[in-house]
Amino acid sequence: QQQVKQSPQSLIVQKGGISIINCAYENTAFDYFPWYQQFPGKGPALLIAIRPDVSEKKEGRFTISFNKSAKQFSLHIMDSQPGDSATYFCAASWRIYNQGGKLIFGQGTELSVKP
Amino acid sequence: NAGVTQTPKFRVLKTGQSMTLLCAQDMNHEYMYWYRQDPGMGLRLIHYSVGEGTTAKGEVPDGYNVSRLKKQNFLLGLESAAPSQTSVYFCASRYGRNSNQPQHFGDGTRLSIL
Repeated sequence: QQQVKQSPQSLIVQKGGISIINCAYENTAFDYFPWYQQFPGKGPALLIAIRPDVSEKKEGRFTISFNKSAKQFSLHIMDSQPGDSATYFCAASWRIYNQGGKLIFGQGTELSVKP
Repeated sequence: NAGVTQTPKFRVLKTGQSMTLLCAQDMNHEYMYWYRQDPGMGLRLIHYSVGEGTTAKGEVPDGYNVSRLKKQNFLLGLESAAPSQTSVYFCASRYGRNSNQPQHFGDGTRLSIL
């Protein structure tokens, strides 16, 4: 059972364009929605995160849009650069403390930004 | 500041062999996690620990065991390796129980089972 579904699996964008990655979740008990960025040969690193009481969060060129009623959230990368080429994972974790802060990850999106 | 360190970085095993993956963190984090990453499946939680001496099962625990004898170390064991366990394994740690605290990942162990 995949509780967090991510699309697309891969994405090619021209330099300067907008990259958009979408995620949908099922469990309404999730209360924290981070995005992780992973470069080849490295572990994932937190990029940006949002809580469900906020509809949008922006940090530099990266924006999360959150739609609680639709149980969907998305990552927008403005003015995409070749250095943004990486794999991006959305994730979700529970409000319930005894879940140990577990993260449920989406399947990942491999982004390639062409010069 | 090393953060989260995983050893070894690469390993090739034969079916039926055993091995232990070591994760060490120097950030005094309470929570530690083991994930496996497979193409098209994201990261899936194997086991986790909420403190020294504790362990709990994640999504895909079968075929793996873990131990957290010291706060800074979290060991993942494969008792009898199978080809289905070929994967990239990531360890992560987190300071506390608040859900908005990030998990910090190591750079992974690439394991091939022949």
